[in-house]
Amino acid sequence: NAGVMQNPRHLVRRRGQEARLRCSPMKGHSHVYWYRQLPEEGLKFMVYLQKENIIDESGMPKERFSAEFPKEGPSILRIQQVVRGDSAAYFCASSPLTGQQETQYFGPGTRLLVL
Amino acid sequence: AQKITQTQPGMFVQEKEAVTLDCTYDTSDPSYGLFWYKQPSSGEMIFLIYQGSYDQQNATEGRYSLNFQKARKSANLVISASQLGDSAMYFCAMREGTNKLIFGTGTLLAVQP
Repeated sequence: NAGVMQNPRHLVRRRGQEARLRCSPMKGHSHVYWYRQLPEEGLKFMVYLQKENIIDESGMPKERFSAEFPKEGPSILRIQQVVRGDSAAYFCASSPLTGQQETQYFGPGTRLLVL
Repeated sequence: AQKITQTQPGMFVQEKEAVTLDCTYDTSDPSYGLFWYKQPSSGEMIFLIYQGSYDQQNATEGRYSLNFQKARKSANLVISASQLGDSAMYFCAMREGTNKLIFGTGTLLAVQP
């Protein structure tokens, strides 16, 4: 049973370009979460999605960031017109159901470097 | 105000000894969950242990146990018989609201031979 998969593992972009980060949840999981980890910091929640729905986007920056989890295919975190401050590790997690006892399992992360 | 507080930026422990990593939390929600994750130098986040707010007993998973003191709002991680491979960053996290996790700033554990 494959775990949460993220690609690419590393992504280098120049300022102003777009970054697309992909996340395939564990088999049977329909809930996806995105977190960002700046250097030397803990993870910060960005967005929570179910298939075709955004449940909570309270951690998403107001501009340039968007996320989707379509009916078919992986979840995508999209960053438009990247800036140096976007350089971070972006983690995706998934869980099978909602509820207090559901553990979120994390993918290996995508390390984004903006030059 | 910090929702999850880890006061130890770094810890040393001797191999085969036990170590306690501190975590305190703040919430007014009666129903919540507490988690510990390990992040080795390779960068992935590895789930270690979970404690529910209504659980009567402290959670245990192999060499990991969670010392849950609800009145004090603390959820310390105890690692018994430390191994060199335990050297990593350890994050405490709390689930609240729409299932999002709130993370602490982490404790860097170094196991010495």
